Amino acid sequence: GAVVSQHPSWVICKSGTSVKIECRSLDFQATTMFWYRQFPKQSLMLMATSNEGSKATYEQGVEKDKFLINHASLTLSTLTVTSAHPEDSSFYICSARGRGPVNEQFFGPGTRLTVL
Amino acid sequence: GESVGLHLPTLSVQEGDNSIINCAYSNSASDYFIWYKQESGKGPQFIIDIRSNMDKRQGQRVTVLLNKTVKHLSLQIAATQPGDSAVYFCAGLTGNQFYFGTGTSLTVIP
Repeated sequence: GAVVSQHPSWVICKSGTSVKIECRSLDFQATTMFWYRQFPKQSLMLMATSNEGSKATYEQGVEKDKFLINHASLTLSTLTVTSAHPEDSSFYICSARGRGPVNEQFFGPGTRLTVL
Repeated sequence: GESVGLHLPTLSVQEGDNSIINCAYSNSASDYFIWYKQESGKGPQFIIDIRSNMDKRQGQRVTVLLNKTVKHLSLQIAATQPGDSAVYFCAGLTGNQFYFGTGTSLTVIP
């Protein structure tokens, strides 16, 4: 299947700092990217959907100003957690979809964020 | 919003036995489902999918059953192996987005 990478795989930061997570589609053009959040022993929760070149659509309850999403190219989307706090510590997973069927969605390996 | 939930949070099976993982969904408009396997610290891996116009689909050692009447699907793993130990999620496609169930942690006892 298609390959999606995330960077970094693990980040530890101090409270109040901002952290940027990158999601890249390595061998296809991702017209749509999705960002999920996963707490320990819980399921993936969809945070937002971003289409290349347009603003992200956030799910209800997700703060737009807290979680900034940029999808500037067909191979890269970034999630910036602004002014991170310990409660933002979580596993963040992106997925990407190309120009194929809507059911073809490929997941990245995830980024573990720990806020001290 | 979409709700896709699982009946059992944990499941332990003996190596070699068959495993059955269940999932209930609430949105009758969901027309496509995927089962994912997630190992600790990794992203979800595709296992098998099924469209709403089917009630059964088989893969290698895995079978997915869909009962649209009661909005339920299950994942059957034959001859479960230690490498099958992971968390399993079902995800339903509503519109152009997938929504995940709560997950079942499968532990295979050697």
